Amino acid sequence: DAGVTQSPTHLIKTRGQQVTLRCSPKSGHDTVSWYQQALGQGPQFIFQYYEEEERQRGNFPDRFSGHQFPNYSSELNVNALLLGDSALYLCASSLGQQGGIGEAFFGQGTRLTVV
Amino acid sequence: AQSVSQHNHHVILSEAASLELGCNYSYGGTVNLFWYVQYPGQHLQLLLKYFSGDPLVKGIKGFEAEFIKSKFSFNLRKPSVQWSDTAEYFCAVNHFTSGTYKYIFGTGTRLKVLA
Repeated sequence: DAGVTQSPTHLIKTRGQQVTLRCSPKSGHDTVSWYQQALGQGPQFIFQYYEEEERQRGNFPDRFSGHQFPNYSSELNVNALLLGDSALYLCASSLGQQGGIGEAFFGQGTRLTVV
Repeated sequence: AQSVSQHNHHVILSEAASLELGCNYSYGGTVNLFWYVQYPGQHLQLLLKYFSGDPLVKGIKGFEAEFIKSKFSFNLRKPSVQWSDTAEYFCAVNHFTSGTYKYIFGTGTRLKVLA
């Protein structure tokens, strides 16, 4: 049973560039959430996708966008990169429907460095 | 605004010492409560969870947590820590809103256990 997989594991980009991060959820999960974890901080919620729609969004600018595909995998796109976007980006998958508890399973993360 | 507070940012203990990490949350409705652990270089893993029933929950590796509703608290405990417990610990809550579960994480507590 595959867990949550993210790619790439590390990435270095230049300010102003655009980046796409990818996530495959745990088998059987239909909801994908993205988090930004800066050094020394807890994960900050970016947004969540369910049924190919953005369902919830945290306090992040529109430069952060995403997509969910019919197979439940997801992408996180960040445009016009800033130095402050350097962080570990975590993907978490869960079952979205009410009645469960929405327990999240996390991937290893993508370490993004903006120079 | 909903929030999760972890009172201790850094904790240093000797092996066999007892551990208690504080967690308080701010949310008036029904929540599910979690503790996640992040070992050096590894992804976030679920330590334990509470969603109903006995407010004292037991997790993996000898950890337990107690939910005290009146205090909005979910403190993590372990009677005797081991060197291998050195990691970062995150308290989190989620609740069902807008059709999905939304997670909020605390800022984390970095635990170092001295051999």
